[in-house]
Amino acid sequence: DTEVTQTPKHLVMGMTNKKSLKCEQHMGHRAMYWYKQKAKKPPELMFVYSYEKLSINESVPSRFSPECPNSSLLNLHLHALQPEDSALYLCASSQTRDRVGYTFGSGTRLTVV
Amino acid sequence: GQQLNQSPQSMFIQEGEDVSMNCTSSSIFNTWLWYKQDPGEGPVLLIALYKAGELTSNGRLTAQFGITRKDSFLNISASIPSDVGIYFCAGPHAGNNRKLIWGLGTSLAVNP
Repeated sequence: DTEVTQTPKHLVMGMTNKKSLKCEQHMGHRAMYWYKQKAKKPPELMFVYSYEKLSINESVPSRFSPECPNSSLLNLHLHALQPEDSALYLCASSQTRDRVGYTFGSGTRLTVV
Repeated sequence: GQQLNQSPQSMFIQEGEDVSMNCTSSSIFNTWLWYKQDPGEGPVLLIALYKAGELTSNGRLTAQFGITRKDSFLNISASIPSDVGIYFCAGPHAGNNRKLIWGLGTSLAVNP
């Protein structure tokens, strides 16, 4: 299995809703990432988990809350989002050795209304 | 801070033509990564380069890690319609290789 699977593929939520994005990989990768991507821009790093511990938080607002329940799963909990948070949210994973090429999921297209 | 300057910003070519795009930086990178992103999908790693001077091919794609470690190019030969997409270069941040620095992308359109 060489895939990163993200669900849901599309999500529309109101500004008072609570929702979660899910990501799963079975490649044995021990680093997992959340990225946010706006149209025609490169991905922007949000969070990095290494061996299930949060190792990087790129000053992301607290309305985004990551969770890594085990080495295969990564969640992103969303609460009280703003319309400007609408974007493609990408999960990725990689080996924790020096070779840093990531494998990305297909993303969740999030629209906040 | 570290930046990657990717050019050209966009290209519109005829099917069958060869394509060349490049990334430059004022900083040294120890790894260069080339990704392609189709609309509505996540980026897919095309080629990873780990050694200065390295030339690597993946089918019709060829990429090189510049000898100065400050640049890389990606060539696509005999383009086909499915080559359409945005191509990004990326390299690890000097202070933490879990963070990637990204170019702004080259948008490729292929006229059949």
